[in-house]
Amino acid sequence: AQSVAQPEDQVNVAEGNPLTVKCTYSVSGNPYLFWYVQYPNRGLQFLLKYITGDNLVKGSYGFEAEFNKSQTSFHLKKPSALVSDSALYFCAVRDKSLGGFKTIFGAGTRLFVKA
Amino acid sequence: NAGVTQTPKFQVLKTGQSMTLQCAQDMNHNSMYWYRQDPGMGLRLIYYSASEGTTDKGEVPNGYNVSRLNKREFSLRLESAAPSQTSVYFCASSQSFLTGSDEQYFGPGTRLTVT
Repeated sequence: AQSVAQPEDQVNVAEGNPLTVKCTYSVSGNPYLFWYVQYPNRGLQFLLKYITGDNLVKGSYGFEAEFNKSQTSFHLKKPSALVSDSALYFCAVRDKSLGGFKTIFGAGTRLFVKA
Repeated sequence: NAGVTQTPKFQVLKTGQSMTLQCAQDMNHNSMYWYRQDPGMGLRLIYYSASEGTTDKGEVPNGYNVSRLNKREFSLRLESAAPSQTSVYFCASSQSFLTGSDEQYFGPGTRLTVT
């Protein structure tokens, strides 16, 4: 079955430390991969996407993500976490095999950055 | 430029009541979407409209209907609300459903409780 997995419900990190939020997917074909962030009582905001080319993509607010085709992963990273990065993060996949370009979202990972 | 707007922000319904959630976007996007967000389940697609004049079912369409009123507006109707429809509803838009690589832009959400 087509799916997106975010194996950690919650990630805790100290301010200034690097952070990683994990995402793996099971989708046939060559999907497009996205990360979105949701702050409390707000809609999702686009962070970054992988379409093709360089496996390391850079996005908003200093975030970056690494695409690994062999491991079917797209982990979100940031070299130095800020308290303001605390939010809910969603990995998402779009692919024609889903019926048109529908999007599958992961269940979300809550990031807590402690001062 | 307001982006994607949704009304209302909050709503409480009794079982069996009906209501319509309104959504509008001012980005001249062709495609619009309705999602529901439930704890631990990410976002699930209810209906989408790839372009003005077309609508299609998503992952969880039962109990809902939609109308793409024009290019800007996409409404979601609950004909007979059920407690299982208690959720947070998000409207989103993108340049083109057919492109696949486009990110989606989300509204602030409607928090619906059905008692």
